Amino acid sequence: GAGVSQSPRYKVAKRGQDVALRCDPISGHVSLFWYQQALGQGPEFLTYFQNEAQLDKSGLPSDRFFAERPEGSVSTLKIQRTQQEDSAVYLCASSLVGGGNTIYFGEGSWLTVV
Amino acid sequence: GESVGLHLPTLSVQEGDNSIINCAYSNSASDYFIWYKQESGKGPQFIIDIRSNMDKRQGQRVTVLLNKTVKHLSLQIAATQPGDSAVYFCAESRNDYKLSFGAGTTVTVRA
Repeated sequence: GAGVSQSPRYKVAKRGQDVALRCDPISGHVSLFWYQQALGQGPEFLTYFQNEAQLDKSGLPSDRFFAERPEGSVSTLKIQRTQQEDSAVYLCASSLVGGGNTIYFGEGSWLTVV
Repeated sequence: GESVGLHLPTLSVQEGDNSIINCAYSNSASDYFIWYKQESGKGPQFIIDIRSNMDKRQGQRVTVLLNKTVKHLSLQIAATQPGDSAVYFCAESRNDYKLSFGAGTTVTVRA
């Protein structure tokens, strides 16, 4: 596609429910990133993939958060047993490679945990 | 801890005037800086970037200035238009992939 595509755009989950957020990066982009953006704040780094390898997951807030990119293209961010503090926009981004190439963001998946 | 931040949370500018958005960073190891624009309900949109071996870079209607001595980054927008109303984030990186964002400056363009 022309840009980074994320789905669902909006998700309301009951506390304790598991959610899965999908990201389709720009075709041919090697690097893929997940960020979390709380209301009124800047995005916060969660994790980074180069192809299918998850090279950095230092930003994942707890072991309830899990990300994968099994074939080096589409990625899924999974949040288990969601809690209210997980409510945020989850942004996916991609770039050709990690080193200095422009990082393009998707529109985000807006998660509300009730 | 070290972080990237913006001097002012809001900026109101008259249509047609030039805008200057400022950002201070504290990590001297940062070598890559980017400005993003985020409109309501959308993801961050790349505007312009600059590496630490440069002090100025120009794009279409935008200029980024980097002052490494005082760890300051600014974004200048020429002839501000209503479509420029958005939240602007500066971001810095030390390793070319993990971006650290500031809290953002909300720019409002007055007609």
